[in-house]
Amino acid sequence: GQQLNQSPQSMFIQEGEDVSMNCTSSSIFNTWLWYKQDPGEGPVLLIALYKAGELTSNGRLTAQFGITRKDSFLNISASIPSDVGIYFCAGLQAGTALIFGKGTTLSVSS
Amino acid sequence: GAGVSQSPSNKVTEKGKDVELRCDPISGHTALYWYRQSLGQGLEFLIYFQGNSAPDKSGLPSDRFSAERTGGSVSTLTIQRTQQEDSAVYLCASSLGLQNEQFFGPGTRLTVL
Repeated sequence: GQQLNQSPQSMFIQEGEDVSMNCTSSSIFNTWLWYKQDPGEGPVLLIALYKAGELTSNGRLTAQFGITRKDSFLNISASIPSDVGIYFCAGLQAGTALIFGKGTTLSVSS
Repeated sequence: GAGVSQSPSNKVTEKGKDVELRCDPISGHTALYWYRQSLGQGLEFLIYFQGNSAPDKSGLPSDRFSAERTGGSVSTLTIQRTQQEDSAVYLCASSLGLQNEQFFGPGTRLTVL
């Protein structure tokens, strides 16, 4: 089946640093989504992207839908301890359910 | 309801026993999904239901796993003759339709002793 390559697999950063993670695929997607999962909880939708080239912000989070429609990135600025968790990208193609990346585990030390 | 709910939140069972996990989707959502997540790992797709269509069971790992969705709403995931490798968090999600964002429940943590 289709696969999303999400990287990095894990990140260890200091509080205040900026973070960047991305997802790539060999296939075209119509929608890109970014989720965050806190420990012991289900994933929560952070940002949804619907158009190629779209750049969307949600507070300190910024995500972009790649112009080729085969990739997306998520940036977190000025990280804080509560940013800790697993971040998942997900892509949507016509007629199928969401395809999820394997996640990026973020650790923030204060 | 306001969000996706799952029960129980935790389930401890003995190897060989059957378990049933329940998911209540967001009202009006026609699509419902089950995922499995091992500790610190990604989401493993199990099955989804979309309206009255036949479910996509392509992710079920063995014939010990089954799911049903009654009346287009509540879903039950059943694991028969549980094995220790079935221990994981089982997540349910729902969406307005197959092409819409999924909203997740809090999960059921299953431990098979």
